[in-house]
Amino acid sequence: GAGVSQSPSNKVTEKGKDVELRCDPISGHTALYWYRQRLGQGLEFLIYFQGNSAPDKSGLPSDRFSAERTGESVSTLTIQRTQQEDSAVYLCASSLTLTSAYGYTFGSGTRLTVV
Amino acid sequence: KQEVTQIPAALSVPEGENLVLNCSFTDSAIYNLQWFRQDPGKGLTSLLLIQSSQREQTSGRLNASLDKSSGRSTLYIAASQPGDSATYLCAVKETSGSRLTFGEGTQLTVNP
Repeated sequence: GAGVSQSPSNKVTEKGKDVELRCDPISGHTALYWYRQRLGQGLEFLIYFQGNSAPDKSGLPSDRFSAERTGESVSTLTIQRTQQEDSAVYLCASSLTLTSAYGYTFGSGTRLTVV
Repeated sequence: KQEVTQIPAALSVPEGENLVLNCSFTDSAIYNLQWFRQDPGKGLTSLLLIQSSQREQTSGRLNASLDKSSGRSTLYIAASQPGDSATYLCAVKETSGSRLTFGEGTQLTVNP
């Protein structure tokens, strides 16, 4: 596609439920990032995928968070047993390569609200 | 650990004024630095990308400079307009590691 697509755009879930967020990167982009942005705060790095290399999971805040990506395609971020502090906008970005001369393109994000 | 700082945190100016937003980073071993704009409730829109070997990039009324050795970048906005009101974020990509490191952003308000 022309841009990075994220779905759903909004998600309201009950505390304790599992949620799955989806990111469709720009076709051909090998690098993919997930970030979290809590209300009024900056972007927190969560996880990074580069091609078929092992992902950098160092930013995942707890073992309730996991992410998958098959090759250079869609990525899913799963949050198990959601808590109210998980409420945030989850942003996905992709790039042609690790050191892309074209930088990183972000999706519009998924706004997650845990009630 | 890379740290990115943006000053000021917030800025309010009258329409037509020229302004400068500042970004500083602690580790000069970077591949590139990118400036983004974020509108309330929206994702990030890329404005300018400067490679580590470059000194500046320009797009319309925007000019971004990079001084890698001193760990600084500035975003210059000429003849500001109310539509420029947004939060401006800078992010650096290091030569080591995989992540983009973001500053906290500067919230800009341009008053008509």
